[in-house]
Amino acid sequence: DAGVTQSPTHLIKTRGQQVTLRCSPKSGHDTVSWYQQALGQGPQFIFQYYEEEERQRGNFPDRFSGHQFPNYSSELNVNALLLGDSALYLCASSRGTGTSGEQYFGPGTRLTVT
Amino acid sequence: AQSVAQPEDQVNVAEGNPLTVKCTYSVSGNPYLFWYVQYPNRGLQFLLKYITGDNLVKGSYGFEAEFNKSQTSFHLKKPSALVSDSALYFCAVRDSWVNFNKFYFGSGTKLNVKP
Repeated sequence: DAGVTQSPTHLIKTRGQQVTLRCSPKSGHDTVSWYQQALGQGPQFIFQYYEEEERQRGNFPDRFSGHQFPNYSSELNVNALLLGDSALYLCASSRGTGTSGEQYFGPGTRLTVT
Repeated sequence: AQSVAQPEDQVNVAEGNPLTVKCTYSVSGNPYLFWYVQYPNRGLQFLLKYITGDNLVKGSYGFEAEFNKSQTSFHLKKPSALVSDSALYFCAVRDSWVNFNKFYFGSGTKLNVKP
């Protein structure tokens, strides 16, 4: 049973560029959340997708957007990259919303903005 | 808003000794509390959770956590530490029913277990 997978593993971009990160949830999961983990900090919630809609959003600007596909996989898009966007981006999946269940995390995508 | 605090950036313990990683929380309503572990270049792995019921929660790899409502704490414990337990540990709280899908993480505690 495959867990949460993310691609690419590493990415280097230049300021002002756009980037797309991808996530496939754990088998049987239909909800995907995205987190940003800056160096030396805990993950910060970006947003969550369920039934192809954004359900909750953290304190991130509109430059951060996402999408969920019918197969439950998800993309995170970041436009007009800033140096401060350099971080580990984590995808987490879970089953449904409004439950007490834990989230399962992928290995992350390390984004470096130069 | 919900939040968790991990007061120690680093905890050092000798192999075979008991370990404690501290976490305090601030929530409105009933807390849904979690512990995750992160190894280098890896994502977060779920250890255990407290939703309701017994204040002592048992989880993976011999870890357990004690929920204390009066002290608003949820400390992670293990009776006998292993070198392989060395990693970064995060405490997290799930938001209230209004924003139930948000998790708030602490800043993390690095656990060093020395042989």
